[in-house]
Amino acid sequence: GNSVTQMEGPVTLSEEAFLTINCTYTATGYPSLFWYVQYPGEGLQLLLKATKADDKGSNKGFEATYRKETTSFHLEKGSVQVSDSAVYFCALSRGSTLGRLYFGRGTQLTVWP
Amino acid sequence: GAVVSQHPSWVICKSGTSVKIECRSLDFQATTMFWYRQFPKQSLMLMATSNEGSKATYEQGVEKDKFLINHASLTLSTLTVTSAHPEDSSFYICSALSGRANNEQFFGPGTRLTVL
Repeated sequence: GNSVTQMEGPVTLSEEAFLTINCTYTATGYPSLFWYVQYPGEGLQLLLKATKADDKGSNKGFEATYRKETTSFHLEKGSVQVSDSAVYFCALSRGSTLGRLYFGRGTQLTVWP
Repeated sequence: GAVVSQHPSWVICKSGTSVKIECRSLDFQATTMFWYRQFPKQSLMLMATSNEGSKATYEQGVEKDKFLINHASLTLSTLTVTSAHPEDSSFYICSALSGRANNEQFFGPGTRLTVL
């Protein structure tokens, strides 16, 4: 089946610290991989995505590389800001089912000044 | 980006009553919308896929008579929780698929349902 396993939180960091949130997946075939972010009181927003092996998605200083050999899509940022405090969700989509997303549990990130 | 709204943002109701939640795509048309349920500190679980003008497709284990979905227009889908019970208390999130934006999903802010 299809599933996403995401690092449990919460994660608490000081401003300018390095961030890694681990995500691994199980899927048949070649899924697309996503990171979504949910700020307090708002809906999920697409942060970045990768559609094939070795692709790197990046946005707002965040990066994640699609690693087929380790079935991983870890989220990283070199220097977090207070404004990055949010819940981050890793997700996958099978191309055969348009729009169908499988989500991880979400990781709460809090960044202190 | 595209905007999806949900109404109400929170609702409290008595056990046995029905509650309707609306999901609207504000600046784009969506032939496909999705309804998710999220438990505290858990993942979003897809409940059903809503297609405009046709019956919704429910995920395994989701009672279609309990969670009625109507997608009567290209900008509106509704989820009605019928005869609600305390175990239906949860956070319900919708999303809409935008063909204009390379089939990206845009999410609503969610509706918190509490059944007393």
